[in-house]
Amino acid sequence: EAQVTQNPRYLITVTGKKLTVTCSQNMNHEYMSWYRQDPGLGLRQIYYSMNVEVTDKGDVPEGYKVSRKEKRNFPLILESPSPNQTSLYFCASSLAQGSEQYFGPGTRLTVT
Amino acid sequence: GEDVEQSLFLSVREGDSSVINCTYTDSSSTYLYWYKQEPGAGLQLLTYIFSNMDMKQDQRLTVLLNKKDKHLSLRIADTQTGDSAIYFCAETNTGFQKLVFGTGTRLLVSP
Repeated sequence: EAQVTQNPRYLITVTGKKLTVTCSQNMNHEYMSWYRQDPGLGLRQIYYSMNVEVTDKGDVPEGYKVSRKEKRNFPLILESPSPNQTSLYFCASSLAQGSEQYFGPGTRLTVT
Repeated sequence: GEDVEQSLFLSVREGDSSVINCTYTDSSSTYLYWYKQEPGAGLQLLTYIFSNMDMKQDQRLTVLLNKKDKHLSLRIADTQTGDSAIYFCAETNTGFQKLVFGTGTRLLVSP
């Protein structure tokens, strides 16, 4: 089944403790992206990647890192999480920039 | 920068039509999308319209685009309780560099 998977789905952590949210797609998509969803703000793009080893900042990249060592994986790294990073995070992938994006199920992160 | 706005909430009765509205500011928008988010799930693409079109119909869904006013709407005919969800409009420009999402409209369909 074609899908985007994220892990974990739920995470509660403390300020400053490094964490990684994994994202994997099995559709051989080139383009992958991370968004955060906050009430009243919709989805905002954090980082995106057009292909392996090619990443770029979205609208709200501060406090986040990403890597794209393999085509299928696009992990989101929070080196030192803070409470303002409490949010619902979505990974998405598409065949190319501009084509339909397929979204993962989301990761709800709480930073205390 | 680009901005996409939607009203936050819409309530309709089952069987009625729903109209969800969206305005955007980017005059170079090329594609405009409607996504649906059901509780606890990711976003699912419902439909999209290219900027040189005025209307697109897909079964119960009708998308209207007024490019002059930068206004996009999604009409759902014969709305069902299963249509209750959050609906996001989004736009992308010619470079397809990113999707810019609206704030989402929560549609509540009551029996």
